[in-house]
Amino acid sequence: GQQLNQSPQSMFIQEGEDVSMNCTSSSIFNTWLWYKQDPGEGPVLLIALYKAGELTSNGRLTAQFGITRKDSFLNISASIPSDVGIYFCAGTNTGNQFYFGTGTSLTVIP
Amino acid sequence: EAGVAQSPRYKIIEKRQSVAFWCNPISGHATLYWYQQILGQGPKLLIQFQNNGVVDDSQLPKDRFSAERLKGVDSTLKIQPAKLEDSAVYLCASSELSGSADTQYFGPGTRLTVL
Repeated sequence: GQQLNQSPQSMFIQEGEDVSMNCTSSSIFNTWLWYKQDPGEGPVLLIALYKAGELTSNGRLTAQFGITRKDSFLNISASIPSDVGIYFCAGTNTGNQFYFGTGTSLTVIP
Repeated sequence: EAGVAQSPRYKIIEKRQSVAFWCNPISGHATLYWYQQILGQGPKLLIQFQNNGVVDDSQLPKDRFSAERLKGVDSTLKIQPAKLEDSAVYLCASSELSGSADTQYFGPGTRLTVL
């Protein structure tokens, strides 16, 4: 089935550093979403993107819908300890099927 | 506003047994989703309901999994019989509208362990 590949798989960074992660697909997607999941909880939506090239911010988070419609990027500026968690991309392809990515685990060292 | 409720939070069963999970979505949300999240992976959509009708169940293993949302509110997901590879967290989510890009609100999940 469809697979959204995220990289890196895991990241260990110092508090205050900026973070970049990306998500790629072998096929075109119509929407891209970014979620954060804390241990023992369900994912929480961070940012939704609906148009190729779209750049959207939510506080210290910024995400972009790639112009090829096959990728998306999430950046976190000035990381803080509560940014720790697993970040998932997700999206809807041209067949209107919805998939989650493989996840990027973020650890912030105080 | 109350969130998506799921029960039980944890369940341990032996293979070949049956198990059922319950989900109560956010009041007024027309669309309900069940996901399977295996450890270390992203959630995989099993089934999507709009009100009491099935929108997408293409990834539901229908030989052993079933789900219903009889009155368009609560939903149950059943596995019968369970296999070892069914060990996972089962997440329920709901959204106000029917588009899959519409904001989905997730419950805390039910962690299933099959021995």
